[in-house]
Amino acid sequence: GESVGLHLPTLSVQEGDNSIINCAYSNSASDYFIWYKQESGKGPQFIIDIRSNMDKRQGQRVTVLLNKTVKHLSLQIAATQPGDSAVYFCAETGGQGGKLIFGQGTELSVKP
Amino acid sequence: GAVVSQHPSWVICKSGTSVKIECRSLDFQATTMFWYRQFPKQSLMLMATSNEGSKATYEQGVEKDKFLINHASLTLSTLTVTSAHPEDSSFYICSARGGESQETQYFGPGTRLLVL
Repeated sequence: GESVGLHLPTLSVQEGDNSIINCAYSNSASDYFIWYKQESGKGPQFIIDIRSNMDKRQGQRVTVLLNKTVKHLSLQIAATQPGDSAVYFCAETGGQGGKLIFGQGTELSVKP
Repeated sequence: GAVVSQHPSWVICKSGTSVKIECRSLDFQATTMFWYRQFPKQSLMLMATSNEGSKATYEQGVEKDKFLINHASLTLSTLTVTSAHPEDSSFYICSARGGESQETQYFGPGTRLLVL
């Protein structure tokens, strides 16, 4: 079902370090996963996606890993920059008219 | 590509009035649009799914007479909050699906609604 959290988990990293944001998804039938970045007061921005027939996909400074066995998704950000500070949401979809089911989100804070 | 706009970006209204929010896909045709609501420090909550030319499908607990959705064209969907009350104050975000990827949803910048 959809996630409604009371508060967001936070991750604080030093500028230049690598960040790893984790997400546990709920539906074993989901076959498409997306990571979104949401800055304060703005809509979510697409970062990277992955299909269930893959276990890793790389973009520019970002990598998404998918472990279907334990229903786990992670987003790795290399050389984290202050501009990466935002809330990151994973989302899954599969069936049900293509609705996205969002995770609760993780707030990433980058210290200069 | 895949740009979605929303208008207005913020609105303040008196209790009892109705507010219309527009969502437009600017560079692609959106066969399906979605409306979400987001409270501070929380995830996005899907309100309804809107397909062009047909009635919207509302999520459980969302009042269809309260939140009127119209998707009259492949580039425009509107959400009208009728008889708004302070508890309707929230951040409303739309997304659109279509174009090259029929699965990826692209989000608008959101509309901040404050009902006094």
